[in-house]
Amino acid sequence: GDSVTQMEGPVTLSEEAFLTINCTYTATGYPSLFWYVQYPGEGLQLLLKATKADDKGSNKGFEATYRKETTSFHLEKGSVQVSDSAVYFCALTTNSGGSNYKLTFGKGTLLTVNP
Amino acid sequence: DAGVTQSPTHLIKTRGQHVTLRCSPISGHKSVSWYQQVLGQGPQFIFQYYEKEERGRGNFPDRFSARQFPNYSSELNVNALLLGDSALYLCASSLVGANYGYTFGSGTRLTVV
Repeated sequence: GDSVTQMEGPVTLSEEAFLTINCTYTATGYPSLFWYVQYPGEGLQLLLKATKADDKGSNKGFEATYRKETTSFHLEKGSVQVSDSAVYFCALTTNSGGSNYKLTFGKGTLLTVNP
Repeated sequence: DAGVTQSPTHLIKTRGQHVTLRCSPISGHKSVSWYQQVLGQGPQFIFQYYEKEERGRGNFPDRFSARQFPNYSSELNVNALLLGDSALYLCASSLVGANYGYTFGSGTRLTVV
């Protein structure tokens, strides 16, 4: 079955530091890849996505590149802010046999940014 | 425009009871999915409905059921509640499918005591 593995958290950084959160996946079909963010007490928000190999998703200074050869979709940001403190989830869905209907999530990575 | 709205926001139930959670999708979205998020874990897929038909079901017992109404709103029902059902229940809507990115509601926090 499909699965997503994220780097273990928590991750604690100082403001303006560089962020990388690793994500690798296993998929039965050809997946689309997503990063979702969850702020305290809230639901999930789509941060960025990529639907085919070598695509780069980007939003709010965050980037992730779909690497089919390494089955990875690592999240990066050049300079984090305190407001980026949240839980980040890597997720995938596969368009395989008409099953393009569910997201498979990683366990999430808690990011805390200190001023 | 209103986002995905869920009600209630918080709920406390006793073991063995039944609960109904409600979700209204973004206007124009015909696909609604339900996810369970246990504390410290990623969301787990429960159901997806599209055009009022069930399109997928996750690995959850038959105590969990759902339906979608003609206005595309949805209900999730859980019978014979167990302590382990305590979680954040998230509803998500989409135009067609997950490729387009789901929009999630803020969830219903269910506590079973």
